[in-house]
Amino acid sequence: KAGVTQTPRYLIKTRGQQVTLSCSPISGHRSVSWYQQTPGQGLQFLFEYFSETQRNKGNFPGRFSGRQFSNSRSEMNVSTLELGDSALYLCASSVGTSGNEQFFGPGTRLTVL
Amino acid sequence: QKEVEQNSGPLSVPEGAIASLNCTYSDRGSQSFFWYRQYSGKSPELIMFIYSNGDKEDGRFTAQLNKASQYVSLLIRDSQPSDSATYLCAVNNDYKLSFGAGTTVTVRA
Repeated sequence: KAGVTQTPRYLIKTRGQQVTLSCSPISGHRSVSWYQQTPGQGLQFLFEYFSETQRNKGNFPGRFSGRQFSNSRSEMNVSTLELGDSALYLCASSVGTSGNEQFFGPGTRLTVL
Repeated sequence: QKEVEQNSGPLSVPEGAIASLNCTYSDRGSQSFFWYRQYSGKSPELIMFIYSNGDKEDGRFTAQLNKASQYVSLLIRDSQPSDSATYLCAVNNDYKLSFGAGTTVTVRA
């Protein structure tokens, strides 16, 4: 079974721009979660989607948003990029039942200049 | 107080020894617990999950959970150089994983 895929793998943007990241979950998984990983803050939860509905959201500004499509694929968008948004953005998928194991994709490395 | 705290590293163990990793969590209502391994430059890989009090063994890995003490641990037996990585403890609440800062393990030959 194919794993979680994320595109693109690397991105370089400048301050003020916006970016869209994409995630395709494992086949049959209906939940997609997004995390940000930085050396200083570690792994932090952004949001989780199940059947196109956001079920939980982390403590990030409104510049961070996401959505999920009917085929369970998900996108996250960051508007008005700041230098501090440089990070590894990870997507994880799970079956969707509370407490289920989450499996991570390879991540998108975003660099903001 | 952080939601999930791990014992500070780095942890260096000789090849063949047992590596012991500890984690505490603050939300007493937490029900599911995970250990991820992350190699440098890679994404986290799930290696163990545990939902009930007690021990759970999978190969050279043993996870231990004590909900009364809000404590989770991971033992790596017969440590190999390939076990050198950062180990992340995660706790699931409301469809969200909260992670500890991670413990970096180095297995020296």
